[in-house]
Amino acid sequence: KAGVTQTPRYLIKTRGQQVTLSCSPISGHRSVSWYQQTPGQGLQFLFEYFSETQRNKGNFPGRFSGRQFSNSRSEMNVSTLELGDSALYLCASSLKGAETQYFGPGTRLLVL
Amino acid sequence: GESVGLHLPTLSVQEGDNSIINCAYSNSASDYFIWYKQESGKGPQFIIDIRSNMDKRQGQRVTVLLNKTVKHLSLQIAATQPGDSAVYFCAETKANAGGTSYGKLTFGQGTILTVHP
Repeated sequence: KAGVTQTPRYLIKTRGQQVTLSCSPISGHRSVSWYQQTPGQGLQFLFEYFSETQRNKGNFPGRFSGRQFSNSRSEMNVSTLELGDSALYLCASSLKGAETQYFGPGTRLLVL
Repeated sequence: GESVGLHLPTLSVQEGDNSIINCAYSNSASDYFIWYKQESGKGPQFIIDIRSNMDKRQGQRVTVLLNKTVKHLSLQIAATQPGDSAVYFCAETKANAGGTSYGKLTFGQGTILTVHP
């Protein structure tokens, strides 16, 4: 079974721009969670989607948003990028959201 | 609480030694715990999990111990190999609770394990 895939793997943007990241979960997994990883804050939960609905959200500003499609693929969007948004963005999938999550390789975002 | 990534603890061992990585979790209501391994440039990789109705679980070369009284988890790696060198994270959640627990893992700060040949 193929693992979680994320595209693109690397991105360089400038302040004020917006960015869209994509995540394809493991086949059959309907829950997709997103995390931000930085050296200063570690791994922090952004939000979770299940059956195209956001069920849970972490403590991030409204500039961070996401969506999920009927095939369970998910995208996250960050608008009006700030330097502090530079991070590794990880998505993870699980069957229903309450059990083991399997992570993708991440998208490394650098904001200049 | 949320994880804090500054100044990760480090553990340095010789190849063949046993390693023990510790983690203090934050929420006494958490009932599902997972250990992940993250190598440089990769996403976290599942190692082993344990539910709160257990205090020990064994996998291949790894054992997880759970002490709910003091909110402590440990990961034991037997016969540590250079390929085990990575950052190890514990994560906690309240499975099947719904609401604010859906799909949310709360991670510890991580421990850097270095295995010397």
